Amino acid sequence: QKEVEQNSGPLSVPEGAIASLNCTYSDRGSQSFFWYRQYSGKSPELIMFIYSNGDKEDGRFTAQLNKASQYVSLLIRDSQPSDSATYLCAAYYGNNRLAFGKGNQVVVIP
Amino acid sequence: EAQVTQNPRYLITVTGKKLTVTCSQNMNHEYMSWYRQDPGLGLRQIYYSMNVEVTDKGDVPEGYKVSRKEKRNFPLILESPSPNQTSLYFCASGRASPYEQYFGPGTRLTVT
Repeated sequence: QKEVEQNSGPLSVPEGAIASLNCTYSDRGSQSFFWYRQYSGKSPELIMFIYSNGDKEDGRFTAQLNKASQYVSLLIRDSQPSDSATYLCAAYYGNNRLAFGKGNQVVVIP
Repeated sequence: EAQVTQNPRYLITVTGKKLTVTCSQNMNHEYMSWYRQDPGLGLRQIYYSMNVEVTDKGDVPEGYKVSRKEKRNFPLILESPSPNQTSLYFCASGRASPYEQYFGPGTRLTVT
């Protein structure tokens, strides 16, 4: 069973702070990892993906991958109220399929 | 405008009454997929398609059928819906794989 775990409860951060989200995965064969953002009542939208160990930056977002420890994280710098959403972590484990975590809600407090 | 469309957006039906949820994309994507999203369970893949006439099961295919007769369309068919199929359904497409998928707006289905 390919599992992606996002165990943290809702995350509240003050505006301008860094929001940090973590995700672990069970299958060492997973090749690439994705972060999606989903606003309430809306569909998921891709923020970024990462497949190499280390950091990948895109604007205020940084994804970090550690394959040895089987975790992926997402940092949101200078958090804005518009970043308030649920963030979904997903892992690609081949066969053209993704496994999604249950998501973490982020609330940015002005 | 590049988009994935789904119809209907909301549907309330009764147990056993066959229904079809349509999905269409205008990006000439080869990869299309259906997901369901349930509270506490997250997004789970139902079926996916790599191209016309090529479909395969995802993690939760039971009770669903799909077809891919045209590249742009990927309908989801529930031949005999049951209350446990009450869910929020998303269709998604990608150029050639699940990388960089675009999701449709969702269809909220209630089966009574």
